[in-house]
Amino acid sequence: QVQLQQSGAELVKPGSSVKISCKASGYTFTSYDMHWIKQQPGNGLEWIGWIYPGNGNTKYNQKFNGKATLTADKSSSTAYMQLSSLTSEDSAVYFCARGEFGAYFDYWGQGVMVTVSS
Amino acid sequence: DVVMTQTPVSLSVSLGNQASISCRSSQSLLHSDGNTYLSWYLQKPGQSPQLLIYLASNRFSGVSNRFSGSGSGTDFTLKISRVEPEDLGVYYCFQHTHLPLTFGSGTKLEIK
Repeated sequence: QVQLQQSGAELVKPGSSVKISCKASGYTFTSYDMHWIKQQPGNGLEWIGWIYPGNGNTKYNQKFNGKATLTADKSSSTAYMQLSSLTSEDSAVYFCARGEFGAYFDYWGQGVMVTVSS
Repeated sequence: DVVMTQTPVSLSVSLGNQASISCRSSQSLLHSDGNTYLSWYLQKPGQSPQLLIYLASNRFSGVSNRFSGSGSGTDFTLKISRVEPEDLGVYYCFQHTHLPLTFGSGTKLEIK
């Protein structure tokens, strides 16, 4: 069965970077987009961008240009998102989600809580 | 950016009754390929969102037939018939037609 297993919670200092992972199993990793979504505490959902692991192509929400960098490792079926120059505004839960036919997210990871605090 | 406006912000429904959530987009979600990329998700407390409806009106595999989606262009509706306790949570609409992809602000369903 399809599973997206995300890495554990992170407590990081302002100005630093963090890299979170999303390990896919149960399907052909290189055949589906992987999307990343941000959810701040008590808030709604915000799309960050996607990567197509088959060829490494990416598309970002302009709001996250320079903030988020998406990569994928085909050998381990793992997608990564690096967040840089962290501020308190980056404190949030980050989800990965598989994109199906460019139309919807059919499977989601459990989410990673990133807390930015000194 | 396409703004997705959901109403109501919250609703309280008695068990067994129907709930209806509206989602309006600031631009038509009809893609040049003929598809309307509007989907609905439910986020239960403490969980990741889960897909309910895709392409405006298609129920995702395993989703109860109490959930139905309708609409076109800029106006969409999610209906939940015979509300059950496990339906509580926040419902989001989402558009995948225009970049950047955008979510509605959510509708919180409470059980009376």
